[in-house]
Amino acid sequence: DQQVKQNSPSLSVQEGRISILNCDYTNSMFDYFLWYKKYPAEGPTFLISISSIKDKNEDGRFTVFLNKSAKHLSLHIVPSQPGDSAVYFCAAPDNTDKLIFGTGTRLQVFP
Amino acid sequence: EPEVTQTPSHQVTQMGQEVILRCVPISNHLYFYWYRQILGQKVEFLVSFYNNEISEKSEIFDDQFSVERPDGSNFTLKIRSTKLEDSAMYFCASRRESDTQYFGPGTRLTVL
Repeated sequence: DQQVKQNSPSLSVQEGRISILNCDYTNSMFDYFLWYKKYPAEGPTFLISISSIKDKNEDGRFTVFLNKSAKHLSLHIVPSQPGDSAVYFCAAPDNTDKLIFGTGTRLQVFP
Repeated sequence: EPEVTQTPSHQVTQMGQEVILRCVPISNHLYFYWYRQILGQKVEFLVSFYNNEISEKSEIFDDQFSVERPDGSNFTLKIRSTKLEDSAMYFCASRRESDTQYFGPGTRLTVL
């Protein structure tokens, strides 16, 4: 039962351009969403979150957009930098507060 | 900035042996978790722990698994008799009252 889905396994973007990572969810009870960034052989690092009472949250180069009616969120990174190359996970806590993760999108930012 | 730490970074063991994975959560956090990621798969929940007891456990967390908070700082995951399919990255996480869980760097467990 995939409650959180990231349908793009990989994304390649040129340095300086915008990276858009997408995430869909099926559980309408989710009311908080998080994005984590993960380098190989490291743990997930918290990046940015959004509550369902908002439709946008911005932190520096990172902005998360939430469309509740479509059950869709996206992470925008602008401008993209080579150091942003990593796997990005979308996650949501369920009603027992455990995180449900998507399968991740591998972002590669090339010069 | 405080962070979650985990030891060892890599553990190699023989099938059937016991392993203990250690975590030191962020000091003022109250909720503790173990997750794992098998190579090429998604991060999946194992167990949550609050107020010195298990809050929830997944189907993976059978009677071969146990968790303990033996003192005020450590949080351990024990696998009593490891199986080949237990090979994975194991991540500890903690949070205070907010929904944001902070993860450790992980322990790579290799069962031979």
